[in-house]
Amino acid sequence: GAGVSQTPSNKVTEKGKYVELRCDPISGHTALYWYRQSLGQGPEFLIYFQGTGAADDSGLPNDRFFAVRPEGSVSTLKIQRTERGDSAVYLCASSLSGAMGTEAFFGQGTRLTVV
Amino acid sequence: DQQVKQNSPSLSVQEGRISILNCDYTNSMFDYFLWYKKYPAEGPTFLISISSIKDKNEDGRFTVFLNKSAKHLSLHIVPSQPGDSAVYFCAASGLQTGANNLFFGTGTRLTVIP
Repeated sequence: GAGVSQTPSNKVTEKGKYVELRCDPISGHTALYWYRQSLGQGPEFLIYFQGTGAADDSGLPNDRFFAVRPEGSVSTLKIQRTERGDSAVYLCASSLSGAMGTEAFFGQGTRLTVV
Repeated sequence: DQQVKQNSPSLSVQEGRISILNCDYTNSMFDYFLWYKKYPAEGPTFLISISSIKDKNEDGRFTVFLNKSAKHLSLHIVPSQPGDSAVYFCAASGLQTGANNLFFGTGTRLTVIP
């Protein structure tokens, strides 16, 4: 597809379980971002990749959250020992040059529900 | 601490009239501001931006105004159309706060009534 693709679109998991959320960026986009949008809030920055490396992971809330992008394309956001407070829509975006402004395109998000 | 605030959670406007969405920020390090539009079950899409060296940027029916001294920006849509009905997010960034780290407001749901 031409856009940013996120899978699954919905994920329900039990408290304490491990989840992986996948992001397929637009082909050729070197920059990739993860954001999290909790109910009633705006998106909140989690992590930014330039190529394979995490250029800025200052938004990850704690060490239960981890993200990888081993080949500089697909990225996986991993959450260990999920908590109910992790329930949110997780958004991925990609851009060609690393500028988050005009060039970044968001996926539709993965809605994570921790029960 | 919410550094970007959108104090109106919702706004209803008649088709053809002007929609004005407001946004306030607290961090004087922000130097780039954006508006995103979001439809249900879709990701946000970029709408318009403005750099802190400007006070106005226009793109078709959309104009963003920036008042740096008041730390306030607004998005004007004129004329408003039913297809404009969506949630609008204001976002800000700065070189010193992380150019790729956007701080978003909580959004304003715009409803344009035909």
